[in-house]
Amino acid sequence: EVQLVESGGGLVQPGGSLRLSCEASGFTFSTYSMNWVRQAPGKGLEWVSYISSSSGTMYYADSVKGRFTISRDNAKSSLYLQMNSLRAEDTAVYYCARDVRSGWYDYWGQGTLVTVSS
Amino acid sequence: EIVLTQSPATLSLSPGERATLSCRASQSVSSYLAWYQQKPGQAPRLLISDASNRATGIPARFSGSGSGTDFTLTISSLEPEDFAVYYCQQRSNWPRTFGQGTKVEIK
Repeated sequence: EVQLVESGGGLVQPGGSLRLSCEASGFTFSTYSMNWVRQAPGKGLEWVSYISSSSGTMYYADSVKGRFTISRDNAKSSLYLQMNSLRAEDTAVYYCARDVRSGWYDYWGQGTLVTVSS
Repeated sequence: EIVLTQSPATLSLSPGERATLSCRASQSVSSYLAWYQQKPGQAPRLLISDASNRATGIPARFSGSGSGTDFTLTISSLEPEDFAVYYCQQRSNWPRTFGQGTKVEIK
């Protein structure tokens, strides 16, 4: 059974940093690209970042470019999102999602809530 | 950035009725469009990819159509578990973008 489990969310002050993790199981993690997608409270879905299976290619939404860094450790079947210079508008549930056929998200984690507030 | 506009924002229907949801792209996305369902407190679930291909385990009452800029998700006969929010998403260009969602609520 495919499982994605996010962790690392919490309350952080504006300007602070946080590192999210997503632990994968039930599939060969190293062969899949992965993504982070977020959802602000009561709002819609926003794609945040993408990383290819070998970490050779990464993309970011303009809203997080230069502040967030996506990475992965295939030996640990884990995906990460380093978030720096956090702003109130980064408050959201952050989901990791498996990428299939170059852009569809077939499995999602349960999400981890990040709250940026003083 | 490709903007996806979904309509209507809310659809009020009764179980057994047919639901028709629309997604319009600001430029052609060919057939690179997907639909997701999200229930309160849950992660989204992939329903349809490549405009018309049902994902594994998705009931046949869900169907997708369209290409270019205009797409439709149809639920032929609403079941109680289908009342949820539906999002479209494109993979034609970076950044990947989602529509703002259509809420299907019980009338």
